[in-house]
Formats: sequence, C-alpha cells, structure tokens
Amino acid sequence: DTEVTQTPKHLVMGMTNKKSLKCEQHMGHRAMYWYKQKAKKPPELMFVYSYEKLSINESVPSRFSPECPNSSLLNLHLHALQPEDSALYLCASSQGVQETQYFGPGTRLLVL
Amino acid sequence: AQSVTQPDIHITVSEGASLELRCNYSYGATPYLFWYVQSPGQGLQLLLKYFSGDTLVQGIKGFEAEFKRSQSSFNLRKPSVHWSDAAEYFCAVAFSGGYNKLIFGAGTRLAVHP
Repeated sequence: DTEVTQTPKHLVMGMTNKKSLKCEQHMGHRAMYWYKQKAKKPPELMFVYSYEKLSINESVPSRFSPECPNSSLLNLHLHALQPEDSALYLCASSQGVQETQYFGPGTRLLVL
Repeated sequence: AQSVTQPDIHITVSEGASLELRCNYSYGATPYLFWYVQSPGQGLQLLLKYFSGDTLVQGIKGFEAEFKRSQSSFNLRKPSVHWSDAAEYFCAVAFSGGYNKLIFGAGTRLAVHP
C-alpha cells in the first residue's frame, strides 16, 4: 500500500484566519515532505522532515509552520496567509531521504 | 546548475497512437530519475523510476522509459495511448549524496483525441 492521505481536500480561509493541513501515512516511511503547487506549474518543495526532525526549509515564509507530531503525521499550520498563497498543497513520504516519494491527493487552498 | 527540461509543454495525440514524452537533465553524475502523472486537481502518481541497472524501465499503465546517459535523457513512451491517459506528466530528478530533493520539469500536458 502506497497511500498518503491529506485533509481537508479543500480549504477556504481569510487572511486573518488560522488553519491547519494534515497529512498521514502508515507505510512506515521516515521522511515526509510538503510541496506547494501553483496552477500549471510543477510542485515546489517547502519542507522536509526526516525522523520527525525538520531537515530542509526552502526559505518558506514564517506564516507557514510545519509540525511532525509522530512518524505517521505531518501538519502544516497556516496563519495570516496572503491571496498569492492560494495553491494545491501536496504532502509526500518516502522510506528514507534517498528513496522514492509517494504523494497524497493534495489540499486545494484558497485565501480570500 | 542542476535542471530538468521537458521541451514539450503540450502534446496532442489520437487514441491508439504511440506516445513519447521527452525529458533531459543537467547534472554531472547519474541522478535518480522519475516520471509522475497528475490528473486535474489530483496528486502525483508515480509511473516509473530509474536508480541503476537496466536502462529500459517498465512502469504502470503500460508506460516505459529509457535512460540514455550519453544524451542525459529519460524519455517516457507508450505504444498505444488511451483516452484516460490525458493528464499532466512530470519528469523529476533527485541527485545522490544528499536529501531526496526532487527537481521537477515544467510538465507536459497530454491531450488525447478520440
């Protein structure tokens, strides 16, 4: 089973709201990733967690705050977002940091 | 700098026709190579990958890809396209020696005519 689940599927939020995106995998993978994908563009890496520790932050603004509570869960906390942050947010996981990444279906975020 | 190029932004083929999507990379050594497919509004599904060994790799849904070191290419092929293959196709590479940071090409949008 190579399933990564993400909730919610869709999210609409105002610029003053606080919301969270959730990602879950039960494949025993030890690396998890957040990507941002704008329309008609490829995904762009935001964060990498390895063994529940933040390994890579691709200079993402602090209004995005990742969290890895355990090896199966990855959250992305959102606060004071801008309309240009509207995008598809994809989560991925891999066995290790040099292994194949498997993607979830994504959360479509709209910031008003 | 490391880069991935998919020269074709948009391709249209007839159902039943053969397909080849091109991918070239720029890197000093052999990277890990992937093809992913994305249907509208969906996540990315792995079609196939190449790490080492046989340069012709088979994937899901009848796709295959061939790694050519001399051309720094990893082109995706399918002998007979089905209407359900219409989607966005991304070539991606990861470079050894560090974290598995995927670098994606710009994508090729495939349309299939009946």
